[in-house]
Amino acid sequence: EADIYQTPRYLVIGTGKKITLECSQTMGHDKMYWYQQDPGMELHLIHYSYGVNSTEKGDLSSESTVSRIRTEHFPLTLESARPSHTSQYLCASSELGGGSYNEQFFGPGTRLTVL
Amino acid sequence: QQQVKQSPQSLIVQKGGISIINCAYENTAFDYFPWYQQFPGKGPALLIAIRPDVSEKKEGRFTISFNKSAKQFSLHIMDSQPGDSATYFCADQGGKLIFGQGTELSVKP
Repeated sequence: EADIYQTPRYLVIGTGKKITLECSQTMGHDKMYWYQQDPGMELHLIHYSYGVNSTEKGDLSSESTVSRIRTEHFPLTLESARPSHTSQYLCASSELGGGSYNEQFFGPGTRLTVL
Repeated sequence: QQQVKQSPQSLIVQKGGISIINCAYENTAFDYFPWYQQFPGKGPALLIAIRPDVSEKKEGRFTISFNKSAKQFSLHIMDSQPGDSATYFCADQGGKLIFGQGTELSVKP
């Protein structure tokens, strides 16, 4: 079954720790995205990728970094976590262009709490 | 940066009633306008999307109405059910997906 996975689902960590949020999709999609969402608020795009070795910053400035070494894998890393990074992080993927609407498929999210 | 303004922020509807959520977009010409539905603890999922050259699209109990001249579009949920209780996001899909602020819908039995 084609799907998009995120691990961990919940993470509580102390200030200054390095963390990596994992995202994998089995749909063969070229485009992948990371969004940040605070409780009850809209989603803000923080990173996206058009394919392997392609990464771009989104509309919301973020101290996190991403990599795209394999089509199916798009991890997000925070070198030194701070309380201001506390949020929900959602990963998504979609097909590349084509003229029709390209649905974004979202993972279940990682809820990060930095103490 | 383009914005999508969504209202109301929250909505309470009785079972069987009509839920209406409105969105206003900025200066775009060729975008799609999707609606995403998000349940607690889950990521958003596409509910329905409309092309800018279509004034209305209906899928089951869900209808998008699009008013290009007013730069507005709305989601109508007919015969609302408790299972429809979720947060709904309108969005502007141009080069990137720009989300509205979200509407928390609660359908009371």
